Amino acid sequence: SQQGEEDPQALSIQEGENATMNCSYKTSINNLQWYRQNSGRGLVHLILIRSNEREKHSGRLRVTLDTSKKSSSLLITASRAADTASYFCATGMDSNYQLIWGAGTKLIIKP
Amino acid sequence: DAGVTQSPTHLIKTRGQHVTLRCSPISGHKSVSWYQQVLGQGPQFIFQYYEKEERGRGNFPDRFSARQFPNYSSELNVNALLLGDSALYLCASSLARGQGEDYGYTFGSGTRLTVV
Repeated sequence: SQQGEEDPQALSIQEGENATMNCSYKTSINNLQWYRQNSGRGLVHLILIRSNEREKHSGRLRVTLDTSKKSSSLLITASRAADTASYFCATGMDSNYQLIWGAGTKLIIKP
Repeated sequence: DAGVTQSPTHLIKTRGQHVTLRCSPISGHKSVSWYQQVLGQGPQFIFQYYEKEERGRGNFPDRFSARQFPNYSSELNVNALLLGDSALYLCASSLARGQGEDYGYTFGSGTRLTVV
């Protein structure tokens, strides 16, 4: 079963604009991770935020986590054509050796 | 350094057949996890192996099995293939059990299985 739900399912923006994707989840978590997937191939780990953190930055990526609302957002600033991909959130829980994933947001950056 | 390697990259099988997918983790990584990703959905956890023992199993039927070898490579086996088994099968490795969940996984490029 899916834990997270990404919103929107698809997003199309102009190059240079900012892209925001949201993820909601159902149960308590240890951490939340964001991954990128190009053309249905392997997943690339982008950033991980722990349950006791509220915000984290990595380059052009900014992730927030609101555990009271069970939600997270991924912001990509100054988007580039190469950012075109599907983005997934995945949650890790204590004593559980698996990640539970959402269905992903398909991001298209128009040149 | 080589990343996580999976073979084959593509595979077409007929219903009822058996398939074996292979994964070599990053050198030094002892934990391997398998995920199934159906088109348009997020990955679903199948198995995790650590130090050659099964440490976790997802909600998949007994037709799915796996094993890990002394060199930490792994095989995923699926028997009596169904059309619904058509998916991208992803392997992920991490240094130790639980580390992928704590620090993030490195994934292979996957094996695309089509069952006809």
